[in-house]
Amino acid sequence: DTEVTQTPKHLVMGMTNKKSLKCEQHMGHRAMYWYKQKAKKPPELMFVYSYEKLSINESVPSRFSPECPNSSLLNLHLHALQPEDSALYLCASRQFRGGEQYFGPGTRLTVT
Amino acid sequence: GIQVEQSPPDLILQEGANSTLRCNFSDSVNNLQWFHQNPWGQLINLFYIPSGTKQNGRLSATTVATERYSLLYISSSQTTDSGVYFCAVGDGGSQGNLIFGKGTKLSVKP
Repeated sequence: DTEVTQTPKHLVMGMTNKKSLKCEQHMGHRAMYWYKQKAKKPPELMFVYSYEKLSINESVPSRFSPECPNSSLLNLHLHALQPEDSALYLCASRQFRGGEQYFGPGTRLTVT
Repeated sequence: GIQVEQSPPDLILQEGANSTLRCNFSDSVNNLQWFHQNPWGQLINLFYIPSGTKQNGRLSATTVATERYSLLYISSSQTTDSGVYFCAVGDGGSQGNLIFGKGTKLSVKP
């Protein structure tokens, strides 16, 4: 099984809302990633978790708050977002020591 | 950091035609992946190919690590092959972070 799941598929939120994106994998991968993808652009790395610890934060604004409650789950908490944060948010996972990354289907976020 | 360049940026094919997509990278890499992003946004793993040649049905890929390029071949293209093809390389760190090229947008016409 090489599946990464993400919920919800679509999300519309106002600038004052608080919402969360969820990502789950059961492949025993110990590295998990959040990417942001704007239209007609490649994915851009936001955060990396290794063994449930945040190891990379690519200068992402604090209105995005990641959380890794256990080795299978990754959340992205959203608060006070801006319209320019509207994008496709992708989660990925990988064996820590190497190999390929597997991506979830993404959450398409619209901030109004 | 490592630079990844893909060519061509856009490609229009008639169904049944063959094509070659290219990915050049600026430094040695220990990880290279090809993805197909479908119209719904899903990134589908095509190949994990830091070196050598692999084939999967109508698709094949070759990476020549010493010359810093990789090629993706699509034969007998179908309309379902349409989408964006991304090449991504590892940044050399232990986290396995990927650096993506800008992609090749493929449109296959019936």
